[in-house]
Parts: sequence; C-alpha cells; structure tokens
Amino acid sequence: GEDVEQSLFLSVREGDSSVINCTYTDSSSTYLYWYKQEPGAGLQLLTYIFSNMDMKQDQRLTVLLNKKDKHLSLRIADTQTGDSAIYFCAEKGGSQGNLIFGKGTKLSVKP
Amino acid sequence: EPEVTQTPSHQVTQMGQEVILRCVPISNHLYFYWYRQILGQKVEFLVSFYNNEISEKSEIFDDQFSVERPDGSNFTLKIRSTKLEDSAMYFCASSDGLKRISSYEQYFGPGTRLTVT
Repeated sequence: GEDVEQSLFLSVREGDSSVINCTYTDSSSTYLYWYKQEPGAGLQLLTYIFSNMDMKQDQRLTVLLNKKDKHLSLRIADTQTGDSAIYFCAEKGGSQGNLIFGKGTKLSVKP
Repeated sequence: EPEVTQTPSHQVTQMGQEVILRCVPISNHLYFYWYRQILGQKVEFLVSFYNNEISEKSEIFDDQFSVERPDGSNFTLKIRSTKLEDSAMYFCASSDGLKRISSYEQYFGPGTRLTVT
C-alpha cells in the first residue's frame, strides 16, 4: 500500500541549512506536501509541489522532488530557533484527496 | 485569516462511553476530513465528507465511528463506545476542493486530545 517514510530527528545549529528527507511509494501521487507542527498546535501547510515539477522555492524553503527515486526533500535556509518543530511529509492519496503522512521529523535548532 | 477550530482541546473519557469531537471548518470550504495521530505514530486518515455524505473512509473508520454536519458550520466525529486504543490526537481539516493548482490544500485545526481511561 501507500507509505511515506521520514527520518525521525534532525538537529542543526542556528544559521545553518536544514534538509529533511522523505520517501514515498505511490508513483501516481500528483501532489506532495510539507506540513509543520509546532508544540500544542495543529498542522500548518508550509508548501507543496506538483509532481511535474523538480523544484519549488518559497523564500527560505526549497522543495526538491526526484520522481524517479520517489524522494522529496525540504531545505530550510538560515534555520532559526523558531523553525524548531515537527515536519511532516505527505502525499495525496485516494480520490478525495485524503493525505498520507509520514511519521514526522523533529527538527531541533540549537542557538 | 480564517482557520479551522476544534473543541474541546482535551477530552478525558471512560472506556465504553460515547464522545463527540467538534470542528468548525473554514466557512466556504466544501470538503471535510478527520485524521488521528496516536502518540508517537503517523497521522492517519479516518474519513472525508462532501455534500453531506462520506466520500471516503479508511479501515480504521469502523462502525463505532460516525460523522455529521448537523448545521451549516459544525462538523462532528462521534465515537460510540470508546476503547483504550482510541486515545489519540484527532485533527479536523477542510479544503475548498476547487480544481486549481493547490487543489485539495487542506487546512488543519489544532486537534482534540482524547484520553480514554
């Protein structure tokens, strides 16, 4: 079945770049998403990429998609302490767009 | 900015009791969803709802679960007879479902933490 995998933890220093990786299994996925969850808060949509794109940049965020390897990454440039959160990769599954999530990567940013 | 709201933020209930989790989706949205996240596990899809009926549901969404849109603003998830394993964070989401580049962009509420004792 459809599955999304992510590494569970990432620790970086403030000002460095963070790269969060994700692999997915459904090659027919049309949209892939990155969500952010801060402590005690809901899931906030950060960015998404359509499957016919290789890259999407949005301010400090860069999403790279390797469709052949079914690999998605999120790069955060100049990582700040406020970026500390759990980041979820998700793919669109089903006919009504229900999302299939990874377990989330907990990003810790050290000053 | 419009947002999805959920109440209560935390619900504690005894095994076997019925609970109703409430959500107010964004007002012009047409598609509604429930997801859950058991502690330390993935966020899992439960059900999607459109045009006053369930459009898709997962294997988790068995007969003990039901959803309803009782009026023009609320969207509820009912768990009829709660089990210990129903303890999780339950997220509601909504999307406008329009056919455009950000189709099915889902906006999530803050979640309701359900604890079954």
